[in-house]
Amino acid sequence: RKEVEQDPGPFNVPEGATVAFNCTYSNSASQSFFWYRQDCRKEPKLLMSVYSSGNEDGRFTAQLNRASQYISLLIRDSKLSDSATYLCVVNGAGNKLTFGGGTRVLVKP
Amino acid sequence: EAGVAQSPRYKIIEKRQSVAFWCNPISGHATLYWYQQILGQGPKLLIQFQNNGVVDDSQLPKDRFSAERLKGVDSTLKIQPAKLEDSAVYLCASSFGIEAFFGQGTRLTVV
Repeated sequence: RKEVEQDPGPFNVPEGATVAFNCTYSNSASQSFFWYRQDCRKEPKLLMSVYSSGNEDGRFTAQLNRASQYISLLIRDSKLSDSATYLCVVNGAGNKLTFGGGTRVLVKP
Repeated sequence: EAGVAQSPRYKIIEKRQSVAFWCNPISGHATLYWYQQILGQGPKLLIQFQNNGVVDDSQLPKDRFSAERLKGVDSTLKIQPAKLEDSAVYLCASSFGIEAFFGQGTRLTVV
């Protein structure tokens, strides 16, 4: 079983719609969690950290469910510019950052 | 603030040749990571340094890959000899705390 698993997609989303997707992790001792965004042929960039209580940043909402070992990302009012690959990242012991395979989101007019 | 610098940006080599990549992290960042990203996949950690010591190199193919971080600053990653399956983007990242910042990567093509 992979340490961090994501649905690769693509999620084809009409502009203005809401999309949500999950990421599961295998190590229950994982300490912190992040969503990174990666545009085509670019480097990953931090989108947001994921806190136990859930957190929101504008149109983006992240949730953590430690009991079921998954995190989620929800994008509201999708924009064309949200088209990207979203990478789930788990921070383990010693600040080891393990990436999932990414979820591709395509927002269409 | 200057970002993570990597060079070269692109490299094409023949199989069995050797290649080296260079990374200069953000000043003051103690943690440095090298990732391999094959097209269509997520980044895979090759090696992680804390200052100039290795924290994790469990997924580094040590028969052909080597990495060092001199004086806890710059780092080089070497492949010798290269195989076709090494074609990928090699990403360097640095961190001081929670967020990791990535360089633009080196796109390696092995022919």
